[in-house]
Amino acid sequence: EDQVTQSPEALRLQEGESSSLNCSYTVSGLRGLFWYRQDPGKGPEFLFTLYSAGEEKEKERLKATLTKKESFLHITAPKPEDSATYLCAVQGSGGSNYKLTFGKGTLLTVNP
Amino acid sequence: DTGVSQDPRHKITKRGQNVTFRCDPISEHNRLYWYRQTLGQGPEFLTYFQNEAQLEKSRLLSDRFSAERPKGSFSTLEIQRTEQGDSAMYLCASSTSGANYGYTFGSGTRLTVV
Repeated sequence: EDQVTQSPEALRLQEGESSSLNCSYTVSGLRGLFWYRQDPGKGPEFLFTLYSAGEEKEKERLKATLTKKESFLHITAPKPEDSATYLCAVQGSGGSNYKLTFGKGTLLTVNP
Repeated sequence: DTGVSQDPRHKITKRGQNVTFRCDPISEHNRLYWYRQTLGQGPEFLTYFQNEAQLEKSRLLSDRFSAERPKGSFSTLEIQRTEQGDSAMYLCASSTSGANYGYTFGSGTRLTVV
């Protein structure tokens, strides 16, 4: 069974203070690892898909990286508007290869 | 096309009542998914449609839950005889097939059973 563990559960940063969120996973054949952002009361918003170890993707202040066991979401010089829950999910190549298995998320708060 | 639409956004119902939610996916997406999310948890898979065919149902989906996608367009999720444990955010998502793209999620329906 695919599993995703995210850490920390919550992270509080000052504006401009860079940090990283971790996503550890076990999956039978990784088809893709996904990062989503979720604002309170809203559905998850797609950020990145990573397919293979060593891959990196960037979007504004966010950079996602992938190894064979974990992914990191690096946040450089965050702003208060980056405050949200960040969700990691994996899609495996097992029987249900369309299904995403999510972690519990990291609640990021950026103070001005 | 403005994305995945869900209706209603919020629903408060009394225990034992039936409720139905609607999802309108992105028009060119042939795959549609329902997920459930409770406070402090990530979304959990409920069911999956490819076109009009329901191809998988999670063990989480008890006999009180039923989902349909007539004509492969919009989908409905019905919960019969609601229980307090059904209180959650019900998320619909859609995607294309053939590649492992990320889903596009709707804004969800927040169900509160009192």
